Amino acid sequence: GAGVSQTPSNKVTEKGKYVELRCDPISGHTALYWYRQSLGQGPEFLIYFQGTGAADDSGLPNDRFFAVRPEGSVSTLKIQRTERGDSAVYLCASSLAGGKTDTQYFGPGTRLTVL
Amino acid sequence: AQKVTQAQTEISVVEKEDVTLDCVYETRDTTYYLFWYKQPPSGELVFLIRRNSFDEQNEISGRYSWNFQKSTSSFNFTITASQVVDSAVYFCALTGGSQGNLIFGKGTKLSVKP
Repeated sequence: GAGVSQTPSNKVTEKGKYVELRCDPISGHTALYWYRQSLGQGPEFLIYFQGTGAADDSGLPNDRFFAVRPEGSVSTLKIQRTERGDSAVYLCASSLAGGKTDTQYFGPGTRLTVL
Repeated sequence: AQKVTQAQTEISVVEKEDVTLDCVYETRDTTYYLFWYKQPPSGELVFLIRRNSFDEQNEISGRYSWNFQKSTSSFNFTITASQVVDSAVYFCALTGGSQGNLIFGKGTKLSVKP
């Protein structure tokens, strides 16, 4: 079946602009995670959704970052007033039920470049 | 604190050589899971294996094998008879909490030359 998909694959924006990144999880997966991967680093956790609610947003770096998952499927990561330091690859992952026993499957990522 | 250390930043081998990628972790959890993911140049993280903290049996899958040693907090990954297609960045990860968010190491870049 289809894996996790993310759009756009690349996004270039100017400092101060607003961006939205979309994630479409594997069908039937209730858990959805966002991670950020900077160059030469491993992915870092941002936020976890179980269904429609954000169960853990402890990884969001500041209040410019926000994410939603209104119908428990597609999720959108929103970044306001972008800064050059936000440039990274944003990865989305989904798992069947969430929690530490589940395996997360990752999408191809969105490469965000803030000029 | 929970942490994953992959001390090898880059490894270069010639095809058909065996190679071992090291992973050392720190956690206070008594129940946890360890993972290995492969990130080829295309960028997508590909799941390779999951191991829970109560199962210390080594695992083999084709040319891949994993050695989990709780006593040394290590979960090493060996590729036997490496191939050019194995060239990628490999990440070791640990479950960071009850919600399942993963803590990743910095990755090891493996280059297999023909």
